[in-house]
Amino acid sequence: GQSLEQPSEVTAVEGAIVQINCTYQTSGFYGLSWYQQHDGGAPTFLSYNALDGLEETGRFSSFLSRSDSYGYLLLQELQMKDSASYFCAARTGKLIFGQGTTLQVKP
Amino acid sequence: SQTIHQWPATLVQPVGSPLSLECTVEGTSNPNLYWYRQAAGRGLQLLFYSIGIDQISSEVPQNLSASRPQDRQFILSSKKLLLSDSGFYLCAWSTPGLNTGELFFGEGSRLTVL
Repeated sequence: GQSLEQPSEVTAVEGAIVQINCTYQTSGFYGLSWYQQHDGGAPTFLSYNALDGLEETGRFSSFLSRSDSYGYLLLQELQMKDSASYFCAARTGKLIFGQGTTLQVKP
Repeated sequence: SQTIHQWPATLVQPVGSPLSLECTVEGTSNPNLYWYRQAAGRGLQLLFYSIGIDQISSEVPQNLSASRPQDRQFILSSKKLLLSDSGFYLCAWSTPGLNTGELFFGEGSRLTVL
């Protein structure tokens, strides 16, 4: 089967750095995407890693290690508006999502 | 620019009633189209995806079906809803091949089956 594992909840304080890990087990893996979803809304795309290494987009960075079947999303300088659910998703020809990590940012 | 719309946004249906959710994409041609379902507090479950008209793949056997009558229109249907069909339904599109790993989601349709 195909599965992605990520922590269910993470809590951090404003201004801090938080890392959300994702391990995957899929067939035909092409890359790893990350999405943000606020309560009641639709997911929005954050980043995509097709190759090993770090991709940086503003305060957000994403990392992929194909040999370890592992990736993470790094959020820096946390703001209250970053409180949301974050999903990793494996591209296998289609996009398979993990169960999501709820990030709570506290003042 | 590309836009995606799905409707209705919210619906409450009795068990055993039919369902039709519609999704249209504008500003792009030959998109890949997807239907996902999200239970409360859970991840997104891929239901159907389509790489072209009359090319629809079903991911989860259940009482739902999908159709793509036009290049940029995707419809999710059921003849008889079950309680377990309740959830947040999301339509999405991507460029062919999904090379960028990016899906563009509609606003979602929240279905409650009573």
